[in-house]
Amino acid sequence: DTGVSQNPRHKITKRGQNVTFRCDPISEHNRLYWYRQTLGQGPEFLTYFQNEAQLEKSRLLSDRFSAERPKGSFSTLEIQRTEQGDSAMYLCASSTRQGAGEQYFGPGTRLTVT
Amino acid sequence: LAKTTQPISMDSYEGQEVNITCSHNNIATNDYITWYQQFPSQGPRFIIQGYKTKVTNEVASLFIPADRKSSTLSLPRVSLSDTAVYYCLVGAHYNTDKLIFGTGTRLQVFP
Repeated sequence: DTGVSQNPRHKITKRGQNVTFRCDPISEHNRLYWYRQTLGQGPEFLTYFQNEAQLEKSRLLSDRFSAERPKGSFSTLEIQRTEQGDSAMYLCASSTRQGAGEQYFGPGTRLTVT
Repeated sequence: LAKTTQPISMDSYEGQEVNITCSHNNIATNDYITWYQQFPSQGPRFIIQGYKTKVTNEVASLFIPADRKSSTLSLPRVSLSDTAVYYCLVGAHYNTDKLIFGTGTRLQVFP
């Protein structure tokens, strides 16, 4: 069990650019979640996958955001035309069973939009 | 999901027991109570989960009174490494795919 990994750990981009983050969940976990966390706040749910199916998206996930999980393994989160308000820590988590309340989080990708 | 209320911050000294209380007046019958810990620049980490009475693991204890409208996370003999933010979450055990975090309690442990 190597844990959930996320890449890159840090990303600085200029407003208007596109960015993509990657999450590799724990290998046997079929559920994968994305959250966003701003300074001083708790993580906010963005979306989640069961295998390759995206089952729920938060209204926080505007049209500029898209997430994929091809083949039910790793996942990518893309932000198009970044805005300064997108600056945050993007966290990925995975779990094995629904409703257990226990999710395993990665270290996050810190995005700074200048 | 039930809304939770917890203190914004707490201070303690090494070796002391720390109790963080969370209020969840609107908790539903199917809701479980879960606590997460988050260190700076890391993702949250599951600590403990319970439904009623008392749950204990190697890290902490969780006390839940009969009316379940509050819960207390107890950390025995804290050390400097317990300095972190602690989140209380409430949600149905069978439907907690979407974890709802509040602002948490920032615990600072001093030597």
